[in-house]
Amino acid sequence: ETGVTQTPRHLVMGMTNKKSLKCEQHLGHNAMYWYKQSAKKPLELMFVYSLEERVENNSVPSRFSPECPNSSHLFLHLHTLQPEDSALYLCASSQAVTGGGGDTQYFGPGTRLTVL
Amino acid sequence: EDQVTQSPEALRLQEGESSSLNCSYTVSGLRGLFWYRQDPGKGPEFLFTLYSAGEEKEKERLKATLTKKESFLHITAPKPEDSATYLCAVQAGQAGTALIFGKGTTLSVSS
Repeated sequence: ETGVTQTPRHLVMGMTNKKSLKCEQHLGHNAMYWYKQSAKKPLELMFVYSLEERVENNSVPSRFSPECPNSSHLFLHLHTLQPEDSALYLCASSQAVTGGGGDTQYFGPGTRLTVL
Repeated sequence: EDQVTQSPEALRLQEGESSSLNCSYTVSGLRGLFWYRQDPGKGPEFLFTLYSAGEEKEKERLKATLTKKESFLHITAPKPEDSATYLCAVQAGQAGTALIFGKGTTLSVSS
């Protein structure tokens, strides 16, 4: 496997289900991200982990719960979701570099989530 | 408030018809400006990173430029396989922070 992988690629769940999204990066990076992409809206940051510590939480509802057990793996635990949570969920990773210069984020293929 | 605006929202070109996409931004302390390509149902694919005004980068038929207020993605003699949504994003503040994305420009190239 290379780059950033995500599983599952598609997920359909009811509002009372509990499921988890998985992301794995094979790039040796030290920062990982969850983004949400809804139709006609820009990508929205949900969570950032840098060196396995959550450093940013963009006012996301508590029904979304992230977990970063090590620098290569990132999970998004889902429970009691609403139909408006249906979207493409994207994972990304980067090598966060202190000092000047932006750090390029590389994205996985995404999980298409449908909440019934 | 940091903001990214892309125009046009959609662009239709004939094969070989060159054009440019615009990305205007307002951000405090720009660390980098990024261009991605996204095909339907897939994750964004990295194209370019630009760090400072005056910088230019090229890849095949694409060329990205950066000023203090905007970036352009120039497409020279496009082909149908260039059809996709092109996303612009900026990063400010600390390393390892979020990208702020525009809504994207959807490009359609017909033969």
